[in-house]
Amino acid sequence: EVQLVESGGDLVQPGGSLRLSCAASGFSFSSHEMHWVRQPTGKGLEWVSTISVGGDTYYAGSVKGRFSISRENAKDSLYLQMNSLSAGDTALYYCVRESPGGFGGFDLWGQGTTVTVSS
Amino acid sequence: QAGLTQPPSVSKDLRQTATLTCTGNSNNVGRQGVAWLQQHQGHPPKLLSYRNNDRPSGVSERFAASRSGDTASLTITGLQPEDEADYYCSAWDFALSAWLFGGGTKLTVL
Repeated sequence: EVQLVESGGDLVQPGGSLRLSCAASGFSFSSHEMHWVRQPTGKGLEWVSTISVGGDTYYAGSVKGRFSISRENAKDSLYLQMNSLSAGDTALYYCVRESPGGFGGFDLWGQGTTVTVSS
Repeated sequence: QAGLTQPPSVSKDLRQTATLTCTGNSNNVGRQGVAWLQQHQGHPPKLLSYRNNDRPSGVSERFAASRSGDTASLTITGLQPEDEADYYCSAWDFALSAWLFGGGTKLTVL
């Protein structure tokens, strides 16, 4: 089955760290650009980070310097290392596949993993 | 401008046509166009259209995307109850080197 399954979300204190994982299956993971997109409860979508097929990385200004995206093609896995977390990072985090054609063809989404930053 | 602008809500009658808009600038919408996503409450988003009007397999032809200058549109014809959802546009911004999302439009089918 073609799917993305996120894990690693948790309740963490402000200033803490968390590592999200995304396990891909049913498709050629290494051939796709991958993204993390988050959505606070009741609010809209916010792009977080992208990693290209070749390993180039891009970050939203709000997370640059605090978050790090990586991929391990041998394990069909995507990661997001999140440091210096604050309340504003509280959200449902989605792992997202982009179609080979690019142009924002976010054609496969996981169910998401919840990150809550609170004391 | 640090984002894409969408009207917060649109309401239309069953079987009518709804046109949702997404306004950006020459660094994003005006340069490459947008992707459109549909999200039902409690579910992940679903891709409806990208590269201006390419539809993934399985997406109804009732969903048609277009673009004029810095504004993109999603037209939904023959509205059905299941079309009631939140709709988001997304575009790459070449100046910011970042993906942008619109704030989303809540479509209500009356």
